[in-house]
Amino acid sequence: QQQVKQSPQSLIVQKGGISIINCAYENTAFDYFPWYQQFPGKGPALLIAIRPDVSEKKEGRFTISFNKSAKQFSLHIMDSQPGDSATYFCAAGEYGNKLVFGAGTILRVKS
Amino acid sequence: DAGITQSPRHKVTETGTPVTLRCHQTENHRYMYWYRQDPGHGLRLIHYSYGVKDTDKGEVSDGYSVSRSKTEDFLLTLESATSSQTSVYFCAISESRGGAEAFFGQGTRLTVV
Repeated sequence: QQQVKQSPQSLIVQKGGISIINCAYENTAFDYFPWYQQFPGKGPALLIAIRPDVSEKKEGRFTISFNKSAKQFSLHIMDSQPGDSATYFCAAGEYGNKLVFGAGTILRVKS
Repeated sequence: DAGITQSPRHKVTETGTPVTLRCHQTENHRYMYWYRQDPGHGLRLIHYSYGVKDTDKGEVSDGYSVSRSKTEDFLLTLESATSSQTSVYFCAISESRGGAEAFFGQGTRLTVV
């Protein structure tokens, strides 16, 4: 049973546009929410992560928005670039305990 | 890739044969993990280790075993490979218990025919 639901499965965005990927979780004990970026033939790499004491975290063009009451969090990629084309995974877990991953979103940024 | 080496990178094996995948790290991280990646399922935890000779099962451990005799090496064994174990396998290391801030290897693509 998947505890983290990720959408959409795939996404096509024009260069310069905003990419938005959403995740929903079920376990209210989860307190750590990372996003991973994976390029073809490579392993996932940690992109950005948030703890529930804040509603938003920004690192460069990447922002996580977190809604604790709705049990949802999302990744926003501003000014999307072709080099952002990759598969993105959200994950959730209790910090110090095992992570549960979403199914992934394949992002393609058209130039 | 943060000092993680997986071997082999690609392998084709026959149903019923044993297979061992190796993960080697040079970061001296205490925690190591094996995941499998399949379309539509994301990454699923197979087994993990919190130290030498300290291992435990993840959510999809059936048909797999692991061993960790040294800090730097974490081995994943498929005792008798089945077609359902065709997948891409990733090793990860972390200084944090549970896999927070984990670094992943480049993966091993295993095909069972």
